[in-house]
Amino acid sequence: DTGVSQDPRHKITKRGQNVTFRCDPISEHNRLYWYRQTLGQGPEFLTYFQNEAQLEKSRLLSDRFSAERPKGSFSTLEIQRTEQGDSAMYLCASSPDGGLYGYTFGSGTRLTVV
Amino acid sequence: DAKTTQPNSMESNEEEPVHLPCNHSTISGTDYIHWYRQLPSQGPEYVIHGLTSNVNNRMASLAIAEDRKSSTLILHRATLRDAAVYYCILRNYGQNFVFGPGTRLSVLP
Repeated sequence: DTGVSQDPRHKITKRGQNVTFRCDPISEHNRLYWYRQTLGQGPEFLTYFQNEAQLEKSRLLSDRFSAERPKGSFSTLEIQRTEQGDSAMYLCASSPDGGLYGYTFGSGTRLTVV
Repeated sequence: DAKTTQPNSMESNEEEPVHLPCNHSTISGTDYIHWYRQLPSQGPEYVIHGLTSNVNNRMASLAIAEDRKSSTLILHRATLRDAAVYYCILRNYGQNFVFGPGTRLSVLP
């Protein structure tokens, strides 16, 4: 198992464009989480899935953001009509069930909106 | 969510022990104390966690005050690779992790 994989590692896009990120969790983990991190801040929770069900969404997740986990394996996070304020590191994590021992994070996708 | 307070930054010399403090005066009886660290350009990485008793693993030790209102992450011999942001987080089982700004640890050669 190679851990949590995120693709791409870096994305530069023009304001107004749509972007999609992918996360492949650890295969036996049924929970998957998305976080966003801006410079100098800790990661902020966006949403999480248990298997294919999206169980919680933060208020940070505006209507322009959508996340899916169609078969309970990999997940995608799409941002429509990107804004400069969307520039951040987007982190994915996974855990088995409630994750008593915590989450395993990926290395993130750094988005720059120009 | 229960809150933690950590110093913004700390410095240590290489090969010396480092004690990273965390205050959590409003901790509840079922809150676990978790520590994560984040190396540059990486996602957070689990370090250690505990409930009431002190804990040791290959990475670090966690010392928890008797009243549980504070804890200390101990790196026994800091290396340059330990330079990172360290997050102290209180979490009940099943809750999402809520990260604060953490402590930025610099390790001087």
